[in-house]
Amino acid sequence: DTEVTQTPKHLVMGMTNKKSLKCEQHMGHRAMYWYKQKAKKPPELMFVYSYEKLSINESVPSRFSPECPNSSLLNLHLHALQPEDSALYLCASSHEGNQPQHFGDGTRLSIL
Amino acid sequence: GQQLNQSPQSMFIQEGEDVSMNCTSSSIFNTWLWYKQDPGEGPVLLIALYKAGELTSNGRLTAQFGITRKDSFLNISASIPSDVGIYFCAGSEQGAQKLVFGQGTRLTINP
Repeated sequence: DTEVTQTPKHLVMGMTNKKSLKCEQHMGHRAMYWYKQKAKKPPELMFVYSYEKLSINESVPSRFSPECPNSSLLNLHLHALQPEDSALYLCASSHEGNQPQHFGDGTRLSIL
Repeated sequence: GQQLNQSPQSMFIQEGEDVSMNCTSSSIFNTWLWYKQDPGEGPVLLIALYKAGELTSNGRLTAQFGITRKDSFLNISASIPSDVGIYFCAGSEQGAQKLVFGQGTRLTINP
């Protein structure tokens, strides 16, 4: 079982909906990450939080809005997504920003 | 930007065979990681390497951090059906918060 928990596992939403993806870890890690993964491709980094502050935004469109309420939680707020945003969204965490990252099982997102 | 070349892209082997895959980088890395991803799941960390020349094992898996710090390989001995999946290498530079991923090696095992 993964120590990084993501909910929901699956999400289907229309282009006008607003939804949120959630990620939780209780390993005491201080860095958390959001990735997007398309089929048969490696994960692509979206955002990095270090000590609850956004440290990297990989030029992600503003329809994706990350939030880190505390050191254990990471959210990704979604609004007005496009069909090409359909993908597996992975959360990861690590002790520090340059330590091995541990991934959750992801949220499979489908945009209608 | 940084690139990792991972090869082979896919492998079709018989159960019991040994497997070898590798990654090369255009720049020097301080950390090399190997992950395995099964369908519907996130990548699972298999082995982490931190020093040039380091050789680390995890059961039937062995990985090495290349002397030049620009490459790494992963070996799987005596493959079994549960080894099927996609293997990703990943590396990071000194102090970097970002991982660079290889394109993955898809392993298929014929019983």
